[in-house]
This record gives sequence, structure tokens and C-alpha cells, in this order.
Amino acid sequence: RKEVEQDPGPFNVPEGATVAFNCTYSNSASQSFFWYRQDCRKEPKLLMSVYSSGNEDGRFTAQLNRASQYISLLIRDSKLSDSATYLCVVNIYDKVIFGPGTSLSVIP
Amino acid sequence: GAVVSQHPSWVICKSGTSVKIECRSLDFQATTMFWYRQFPKQSLMLMATSNEGSKATYEQGVEKDKFLINHASLTLSTLTVTSAHPEDSSFYICSARGGVSRQNGYTFGSGTRLTVV
Repeated sequence: RKEVEQDPGPFNVPEGATVAFNCTYSNSASQSFFWYRQDCRKEPKLLMSVYSSGNEDGRFTAQLNRASQYISLLIRDSKLSDSATYLCVVNIYDKVIFGPGTSLSVIP
Repeated sequence: GAVVSQHPSWVICKSGTSVKIECRSLDFQATTMFWYRQFPKQSLMLMATSNEGSKATYEQGVEKDKFLINHASLTLSTLTVTSAHPEDSSFYICSARGGVSRQNGYTFGSGTRLTVV
């Protein structure tokens, strides 16, 4: 089993739609969690950290469920500029593991 | 904000030659840097973890004699791809913890696209 798994995608959604990404991790010792976005042929950029209490940044909401070893990202009111690959990232003993990513295309 | 500067951005080299990639943390000290490789349409795969002043820790399947990592200072880590072959063509990227202290995330270099011909 892979250490970090994500919805395979791709997700093609119209502008203004709400889209949710799911991620699961296998190691219960995982310590911290992040969502990154990666545009084509560019480096990943931190989108937000993920906490058990949930956290929100504008149109983006991230949630962590440690018991289920599950992480989610919700994007509301999708914009064209949200089109990218979204990477679920898990930190285990200071080793950073990336999920395979989920591709999002927001269509006009 | 914090920056990790990675050079070169792209390089084309002949098969059999060696290529060195540098990553510098410009405004913070990076005791640990991570090196990743990304093939087209795939995710980043961790190759090794580089610790300042000590030997790097390589992931399973990554040849330490082929991918030489040096982390001689708190602001510089280098990856040398020795005797490169076409199958080594990939996007190589480094990251360091810190610099995004508020969100406790990792800062990435801009990546190096290596093409071996």
C-alpha cells in the first residue's frame, strides 16, 4: 500500500463549482500534513497546513481526521486560476512524502 | 518570504557526463534539505534527505554512488548526478523545512529540468 493515496482524478469542474479532494495516509505516526498545489512544470507551492480542528483560508477548507487517517481539501466557488495539481503531503519523522496528486481543471 | 534558490533551471548534457545541481536557502538556515525527482505526469518521489555536516539518507532504490549529495553548510546542498544516462532525465527539485514558519511548511527550489542526450 502506498504511504499517501489520493483521488486519481482528473477533476473537470465548471467555474463556481465546489470540489473536494480526498487523501489517505498509511502511517499512523505521521505528524504533520499539508496541501500543496503544483502548476505544470513548476515547483509545488504550499497551499495550507492541515489541522485536526480544521482550517479555512478564503475559499479553501482543509480537514484532518487522525482516527481515519484521512485528509480533505474543499475548494468553493472554483476559479479558472485554481486549475492545477493538488498534492497531499505528509510529514513522518521529518521525512516528507507526497501523494500522487489530483489534477483539477476549472472550465469556463 | 523565504526562498530556496536552485540552479541551474535546466540543463542538457551528454550521456556519461556528470551534472551538479545546487540549492541554497537565501534567508534561513536549512539543517535538512530534501531532494526529489519527478517524472512526467507523476508525483514527486523523495530521493534522499540531506543533513548538514553528515551523510545523506537515501531512499530505497536510489543509488547513493550515482546521486551524490553534499550538504556542507547550513545554506547549501548539492546533488550531483554522476555518469548521467537518458533514463536520468527528469525534473529534480529540492526543498527545505522552514522559511514558511507561520504555516510550518516546506520551501521548494524552482527545480532543475535535466535532459540527458
